[in-house]
Amino acid sequence: SQQGEEDPQALSIQEGENATMNCSYKTSINNLQWYRQNSGRGLVHLILIRSNEREKHSGRLRVTLDTSKKSSSLLITASRAADTASYFCATANQAGTALIFGKGTTLSVSS
Amino acid sequence: DGGITQSPKYLFRKEGQNVTLSCEQNLNHDAMYWYRQDPGQGLRLIYYSQIVNDFQKGDIAEGYSVSREKKESFPLTVTSAQKNPTAFYLCASSIRGAVNLEAFFGQGTRLTVV
Repeated sequence: SQQGEEDPQALSIQEGENATMNCSYKTSINNLQWYRQNSGRGLVHLILIRSNEREKHSGRLRVTLDTSKKSSSLLITASRAADTASYFCATANQAGTALIFGKGTTLSVSS
Repeated sequence: DGGITQSPKYLFRKEGQNVTLSCEQNLNHDAMYWYRQDPGQGLRLIYYSQIVNDFQKGDIAEGYSVSREKKESFPLTVTSAQKNPTAFYLCASSIRGAVNLEAFFGQGTRLTVV
């Protein structure tokens, strides 16, 4: 069962531009996490936003959460070629015992 | 260095064979997870374990088996009952009961049926 769904599936931008990815989820959450995956590698945790937070920043990353719309967005500012990767949102399963991931957004940043 | 080690990185399986994927962590995490990743499908949960000698089925457990005899190890066996095993397999761990905290991932094993 897929809890989160990212949008768009793929995104291509130029270096220096901003990249925005969206995540929609179905059930109530305690928090939402974003992960990054370089091609053929494992996932790396980027940022966690709690249900009582509306916005969170970490370096060039900005995450927003709208629990009324059951959606979150990840903004990467001033993108670099090294940001090329797939980005996934994740939330807990109903039992709160494991993370469930969306299908991801594949970001391509060209120089 | 602390982390999760998956081995092998690449694995080839003949039709009808069982194969076992290794996952070891030295992060002292109680919880461990196995995910399968297919192109365009994201990550799907196969099995997870919150504590030694206990594990639960995820969304796609059919054709897979696991064991959790040691805190550090959570091997996944892909059995011959799994009809389409070609995929990228990812192991992860986290502090027990702490889904609110980050999960740490291994570098994955790519399994191909030949």
